[in-house]
Amino acid sequence: GAVVSQHPSRVICKSGTSVKIECRSLDFQATTMFWYRQFPKQSLMLMATSNEGSKATYEQGVEKDKFLINHASLTLSTLTVTSAHPEDSSFYICSAREWGFGYTFGSGTRLTVV
Amino acid sequence: AQSVSQHNHHVILSEAASLELGCNYSYGGTVNLFWYVQYPGQHLQLLLKYFSGDPLVKGIKGFEAEFIKSKFSFNLRKPSVQWSDTAEYFCAVNRDYGGATNKLIFGTGTLLAVQP
Repeated sequence: GAVVSQHPSRVICKSGTSVKIECRSLDFQATTMFWYRQFPKQSLMLMATSNEGSKATYEQGVEKDKFLINHASLTLSTLTVTSAHPEDSSFYICSAREWGFGYTFGSGTRLTVV
Repeated sequence: AQSVSQHNHHVILSEAASLELGCNYSYGGTVNLFWYVQYPGQHLQLLLKYFSGDPLVKGIKGFEAEFIKSKFSFNLRKPSVQWSDTAEYFCAVNRDYGGATNKLIFGTGTLLAVQP
């Protein structure tokens, strides 16, 4: 089945620095990937839809300049949290859809900003 | 606005009890429906999905769900739960536009605790 690899699984960074999270589809091509944020004991909130070769589509309330998304190839999307602050600490999850197989999720990235 | 509602936020059951978790969505048209499970410390796993056809869908680990279009519901069921079913369960819906860009919207999740 489809596999989505997300890296890193955990990252701790200092406030004010930037962090890049990678999401790769390992055995299929994903023209579209999705980025979610999950707060403790809460559901997954869709942040943006990442489109290969074009700009990401952000959900209402998500800061485009803070959460930079790049989808340069059919198998890789990256989310960069710029100038991170403690309130950006969260669990970030990517997913990709392979047509006819539903959505496959990465294992998530636990970001802690200190 | 699109929304997915899970009315049970926290459910506690004893082993062998039957389970039903509610899920309702708020928009019409053709939809695809999913249930995901997140075990403690693990990532999301697909339990089952409905795209079309038989509205009673069977998934992994003895779970099933029934799509009732008139009620905009997709409730998850299991006749006899086990301690290992302790996890968080998410219902998710997307509108089927026939493309890969369809957004998947999640419900708020239901935390299930099964007591031995």
